[in-house]
Amino acid sequence: AQKITQTQPGMFVQEKEAVTLDCTYDTSDPSYGLFWYKQPSSGEMIFLIYQGSYDQQNATEGRYSLNFQKARKSANLVISASQLGDSAMYFCAMREDRSARQLTFGSGTQLTVLP
Amino acid sequence: GAGVSQSPSNKVTEKGKDVELRCDPISGHTALYWYRQSLGQGLEFLIYFQGNSAPDKSGLPSDRFSAERTGGSVSTLTIQRTQQEDSAVYLCASTGRATDTQYFGPGTRLTVL
Repeated sequence: AQKITQTQPGMFVQEKEAVTLDCTYDTSDPSYGLFWYKQPSSGEMIFLIYQGSYDQQNATEGRYSLNFQKARKSANLVISASQLGDSAMYFCAMREDRSARQLTFGSGTQLTVLP
Repeated sequence: GAGVSQSPSNKVTEKGKDVELRCDPISGHTALYWYRQSLGQGLEFLIYFQGNSAPDKSGLPSDRFSAERTGGSVSTLTIQRTQQEDSAVYLCASTGRATDTQYFGPGTRLTVL
């Protein structure tokens, strides 16, 4: 079974609009972390935001927020006020604390911001 | 610089040759991870170091792959007798005691002809 599922291979959003990128996960580990990374065409993997499984509040970092719904096992990324520079591949990833703490990645969502 | 560095940035080799990829983590980071990103397989975990030891080698795809880390810092990923299916971007990440976040290097793009 897929541990991280990103069902949107590609998304388009108009500049200055908000966009939600979906991520669902599967784990039986009670302690885990969820991450979002951005990968522009240049290839570097840029950390955006982190949510711990025991965190009560949804994480926010500037224009990024994570809509964490633990019972539904979803961790959607919300980007507010999209900018042209937000065009990139976005990966959701999970770290299970019982494991070697490596990240398991989803297949990614290619976001294109339209002017 | 302050980030994770990797070298070389690009490597083109012939099938059957050995290659060495290097990762220099963020100073003070104790854990180091290698991943591989390829079109068909997405992002795959390869190996993880805590200090100089590798408690989990389960992600290495074959015995042609090996890795070491010395002095709790620089790590080298070695691929022996390269095959065309080894062509991918090899990413290194590190994390420290105070954070769970893995910070990635720019990657090495390996092309096996």
